[in-house]
Amino acid sequence: DAGVTQSPTHLIKTRGQHVTLRCSPISGHKSVSWYQQVLGQGPQFIFQYYEKEERGRGNFPDRFSARQFPNYSSELNVNALLLGDSALYLCASSSGTGLEQYFGPGTRLTVT
Amino acid sequence: AQSVTQPDIHITVSEGASLELRCNYSYGATPYLFWYVQSPGQGLQLLLKYFSGDTLVQGIKGFEAEFKRSQSSFNLRKPSVHWSDAAEYFCAVATYNNNDMRFGAGTRLTVKP
Repeated sequence: DAGVTQSPTHLIKTRGQHVTLRCSPISGHKSVSWYQQVLGQGPQFIFQYYEKEERGRGNFPDRFSARQFPNYSSELNVNALLLGDSALYLCASSSGTGLEQYFGPGTRLTVT
Repeated sequence: AQSVTQPDIHITVSEGASLELRCNYSYGATPYLFWYVQSPGQGLQLLLKYFSGDTLVQGIKGFEAEFKRSQSSFNLRKPSVHWSDAAEYFCAVATYNNNDMRFGAGTRLTVKP
């Protein structure tokens, strides 16, 4: 079975631009979570979606938004990019709002 | 809110030696605890998890962890380390519905030949 997939793998953007990251969960999984991992740190929770509804939000500014589609794939959008948004963005899926999450390989975003 | 502390930023062990990575958590209710491993440039792989029941949990790749409520700890152990275990290890704590999983800062493991 395919695991969690994310696209693109790498991305370079300029300050002030907008970016969209995509995630496809494991087949049958209805919950998707997004995390930001800055170099040298642990992942930080951004959002959780379940059945297309937001179920949790971390301490991130409103420039960050996400949505989940009927096929359970998800997009993370970041507006007005800052240098500090440079990070590895991880998507994780689970069969429900519990507990065992499976992570994708991540999207490496560099903001210049 | 829950939080996780991994006191050791970097640990070096010789191949074949035993390993213990420390994790302390803060959470008012019964925690759900996890250990993940991350190789360079990769995503996170779940090693093991604790939800309830037996406080000694077995995971993949020969890892185990013990939940000690009195010490608020969930330390990861392996009796004999292999060179392929070199990676970054993250401890995490979550609420029952997992809508805010908190990770520690990680411990980087180096394995000497």
